[in-house]
Amino acid sequence: GAVVSQHPSRVICKSGTSVKIECRSLDFQATTMFWYRQFPKQSLMLMATSNEGSKATYEQGVEKDKFLINHASLTLSTLTVTSAHPEDSSFYICSASVGGRVLFFGSGTQLSVL
Amino acid sequence: DQQVKQNSPSLSVQEGRISILNCDYTNSMFDYFLWYKKYPAEGPTFLISISSIKDKNEDGRFTVFLNKSAKHLSLHIVPSQPGDSAVYFCAASTLEYGNKLVFGAGTILRVKS
Repeated sequence: GAVVSQHPSRVICKSGTSVKIECRSLDFQATTMFWYRQFPKQSLMLMATSNEGSKATYEQGVEKDKFLINHASLTLSTLTVTSAHPEDSSFYICSASVGGRVLFFGSGTQLSVL
Repeated sequence: DQQVKQNSPSLSVQEGRISILNCDYTNSMFDYFLWYKKYPAEGPTFLISISSIKDKNEDGRFTVFLNKSAKHLSLHIVPSQPGDSAVYFCAASTLEYGNKLVFGAGTILRVKS
């Protein structure tokens, strides 16, 4: 399957700092990428749809000023958690499609805010 | 409103036997369904999918069945292997929603050797 690379895999930060997570499509171009979040023992919840060259579309209840998404190229989308707080601690995962209906996921980023 | 439901939180199966994981959905606009396997602290891995124009899709040990009238799909794994132990997520999408995946809550599968 298509490869989606996500970095970092794990980050621990102090409350109030910002954290950037990168998602790259390694062997294909992705005009659209999706960002998900998973809390422990829960399902994957869609946060936003990242569109290359335009603004991201956020799901209801997701603060766009807190979770900044930039999709500057066809192979890179970034999610920045601004002024992180302990309640933002979660597992963040990006995904992309080669062009069909199947989404391929990155390896995820475990964010822990102290 | 949970549009995709996996009502069994966990399933335990003996090695070599069949594992059957179930999923129900409520939104009749969904026209594409997928199963993913996931380990803790890793991203989901795509297993198999099915379009709503089909009722069965098979790939090796994995078969997905779709019953549109019942809004129900299932994943059969046969024979089950200890390496299949993981969390399995059912997901659904429709192009009406931009191909976004809506996930079920997941089912923990344990295959005992």
